[in-house]
Amino acid sequence: AQSVTQPDIHITVSEGASLELRCNYSYGATPYLFWYVQSPGQGLQLLLKYFSGDTLVQGIKGFEAEFKRSQSSFNLRKPSVHWSDAAEYFCAVARPKNNNAGNMLTFGGGTRLMVKP
Amino acid sequence: ETGVTQTPRHLVMGMTNKKSLKCEQHLGHNAMYWYKQSAKKPLELMFVYNFKEQTENNSVPSRFSPECPNSSHLFLHLHTLQPEDSALYLCASSQGHSNTGELFFGEGSRLTVL
Repeated sequence: AQSVTQPDIHITVSEGASLELRCNYSYGATPYLFWYVQSPGQGLQLLLKYFSGDTLVQGIKGFEAEFKRSQSSFNLRKPSVHWSDAAEYFCAVARPKNNNAGNMLTFGGGTRLMVKP
Repeated sequence: ETGVTQTPRHLVMGMTNKKSLKCEQHLGHNAMYWYKQSAKKPLELMFVYNFKEQTENNSVPSRFSPECPNSSHLFLHLHTLQPEDSALYLCASSQGHSNTGELFFGEGSRLTVL
């Protein structure tokens, strides 16, 4: 069974500083990887996804993530954080479909980002 | 606005009540999902429906009963719940079939069981 670990439960950064959120996965094959963001009182919104090809993927809101197979990681980065980026971030991995049963995402526990002015 | 609408946004119920959560998607997707989001726990997949057929039941207690009358609507019927069932219940939809598809989430229904 696949699993996703986000080692940092909380992270606080200053506005304008760079950001890196860590994600490690356990999966037997090449995974499909996702980062979602959840603002307070909201559902989850997709930031970016990796399926194959270039290991550095660009997403919305200035975010990017890099897939590193050797480290089983898919860390999320942003060069300069804005106050509006304060939210909870979830890494997820998709497991194989079963009889066309839709998308089976396993989520990490989330990292709550706080931004200091 | 993600195209997935959940009602009610907030629900308080007693352990003997019967209530339902509703989800509607306007995206033309084929698959719909219920997830449970509890404090200090990862998001838990509860049910998956693909073309109105239930394809996944993730060992969910029978006090949660899903219903998918068509590809656009998904319900979660609740009865004799426990206080530990208090959580944010998220509905999502996707194009189905493919693992490469994105999940579109609603804003959730915050359930409190007294």
